[in-house]
Amino acid sequence: NAGVMQNPRHLVRRRGQEARLRCSPMKGHSHVYWYRQLPEEGLKFMVYLQKENIIDESGMPKERFSAEFPKEGPSILRIQQVVRGDSAAYFCASSPTGSYHQETQYFGPGTRLLVL
Amino acid sequence: KNEVEQSPQNLTAQEGEFITINCSYSVGISALHWLQQHPGGGIVSLFMLSSGKKKHGRLIATINIQEKHSSLHITASHPRDSAVYICAAPLGGATNKLIFGTGTLLAVQP
Repeated sequence: NAGVMQNPRHLVRRRGQEARLRCSPMKGHSHVYWYRQLPEEGLKFMVYLQKENIIDESGMPKERFSAEFPKEGPSILRIQQVVRGDSAAYFCASSPTGSYHQETQYFGPGTRLLVL
Repeated sequence: KNEVEQSPQNLTAQEGEFITINCSYSVGISALHWLQQHPGGGIVSLFMLSSGKKKHGRLIATINIQEKHSSLHITASHPRDSAVYICAAPLGGATNKLIFGTGTLLAVQP
């Protein structure tokens, strides 16, 4: 059973370009979380999605960032017009049901985004 | 005051020592996660616990829900245990999103 997969593992973009980060949850998991880890900072929640639904996007910057989790295919975190401050490690995690608060989240290896 | 606080922030130990990392949290309801992150690496979920104690190999995690406090212990530490250890509390409400501590950087010297 493959774990959570993220690609690319490393992504370099110039200011103003778009970044697309992909996350394939574990088989059978329909809940995806995106977290961001800025340099020298801790992990912060960004968005929580179920298939075709955004459940909680309270951690997403109001502009330039969007996320989706279509019925088919991976979850996508999209950053438009990237700036240097977007440079960070982006992790996704998945869980089977997302119910209650006693469910393990399984993390992917992360995508390291560097904006030049 | 952070909602999830860890101590110490940095810890250096000699191989074989018993290690304790503490986590206090003011959010969340009834569970706590312990995670491990190697430098430049991914995140591994070590434990999710809601009561008592859990053990996996040389790792032991305990939690006191009433006091909102958890500890991660490493017995017979080894240089390969060197990593950042992070505790995280599920916030509650309609989602299971995690609020993270700032992490404890552990270095085990041979």
